[in-house]
Amino acid sequence: QKEVEQNSGPLSVPEGAIASLNCTYSDRVSQSFFWYRQYSGKSPELIMSIYSNGDKEDGRFTAQLNKASQYVSLLIRDSQPSDSATYLCAVNRGAGSYQLTFGKGTKLSVIP
Amino acid sequence: EAGVTQFPSHSVIEKGQTVTLRCDPISGHDNLYWYRRVMGKEIKFLLHFVKESKQDESGMPNNRFLAERTGGTYSTLKVQPAELEDSGVYFCASSRAQGAGSPLHFGNGTRLTVT
Repeated sequence: QKEVEQNSGPLSVPEGAIASLNCTYSDRVSQSFFWYRQYSGKSPELIMSIYSNGDKEDGRFTAQLNKASQYVSLLIRDSQPSDSATYLCAVNRGAGSYQLTFGKGTKLSVIP
Repeated sequence: EAGVTQFPSHSVIEKGQTVTLRCDPISGHDNLYWYRRVMGKEIKFLLHFVKESKQDESGMPNNRFLAERTGGTYSTLKVQPAELEDSGVYFCASSRAQGAGSPLHFGNGTRLTVT
């Protein structure tokens, strides 16, 4: 079983729609969870972090965490073509180090 | 604030040669990390420096890889001798501290191709 699993996509959504990206993880003691956006040839860019169960909203982005189900998701409302990128889910076991475990990423395409 | 910078952006070397990758973290960031992504795989942790000290090098694949951070500023990652399976993108990242409020910033990576 992979440690962090994501659907590789591509996930295609029309402009203005909600994009839903999902991630599951295997390590039950994971404490912190991150979503990174990566454009081709560029650095991963942190867009959301979440540490406790429930929803966390930041602008058009909402991260959802369910530790019992070992599931974390990212919703992007009013998707824009500029949101087209690969979205990486990353999980951290503890608080002492950013030894992140990444998923392979989901490629999102927002169709104008 | 300047971001994490990595040199070179691309490197093509032959099997058996040596390559040195460099990372300049964001100024004031004591924590520096190396990660890499080999073709078709996920990004994986290699090691973590706190200032000039290696905090965790559990992700280093073998003794052909040597990371240094003399003076606690920039870091180098040397691969000697390089093998075909070392090809991939090597990312450096830095953070001021750990935990919420101190995010991890990544560089654009060095794409290494070993032929």
